[in-house]
Amino acid sequence: QITLKESGPTLVKPTQTLTLTCTFSGFSLSTSGVGVGWIRQPPGKALEWLALIYWDDDKRYSPSLKSRLTITKDTSKNQVVLTMTNMDPVDTATYYCAHVTGYSRGYYFDYWGQGTLVTVSS
Amino acid sequence: QSVLTQPPSVSGAPGQRVTISCTGSSSNIGAGYDVHWYQQLPGTAPKLLIYGNSNRPSGVPDRFSGSKSGTSASLAITGLQAEDEADYYCQSYDSSSYVFGTGTKVTVL
Repeated sequence: QITLKESGPTLVKPTQTLTLTCTFSGFSLSTSGVGVGWIRQPPGKALEWLALIYWDDDKRYSPSLKSRLTITKDTSKNQVVLTMTNMDPVDTATYYCAHVTGYSRGYYFDYWGQGTLVTVSS
Repeated sequence: QSVLTQPPSVSGAPGQRVTISCTGSSSNIGAGYDVHWYQQLPGTAPKLLIYGNSNRPSGVPDRFSGSKSGTSASLAITGLQAEDEADYYCQSYDSSSYVFGTGTKVTVL
């Protein structure tokens, strides 16, 4: 079965860079049509899509955060890494990674990790 | 600021039918991109509920159904149950970005 798990720091200071790792099993990120995405959710607020990497290494970023985000994959390790620079307290949120599948008119997130809460505070 | 608008809350008594709307525009839902729905129970990760406008993944009760028309989509829950109390989000695609709706809290009275 497909599982994903996020890991990384629970507390970062303002201006620091956040690095989160998504370690997954049950699928290969070299399989056509597959991707891994990152989504965050500030406490009590809605979901916000951040970034996505496809099997062919195509990468997509949220336009509002594009300058701060980098997503990479290590197919051999079954990992996807997200970095976010210049962290601010408003970036405090639970960060989720998710398996992506679908088709040209509709990719969606069918398996989700448990999420990791990242707090930005000095 | 999400480009997909949902009502903040809907409520219903057990056994009733409730619907949640997801209003987009000509650059997302109206452009032909499909809509997907997620259920988030309190304190848990979101779970895929409907994909491709109206398809249920294995294990999702048929009390949940989805539809799409024009620039909007809807999620209906029939025979509302206490365990359906959760937040619900729609999701689509817009201008090379994935977008989620503003979210709707469903309360079972």
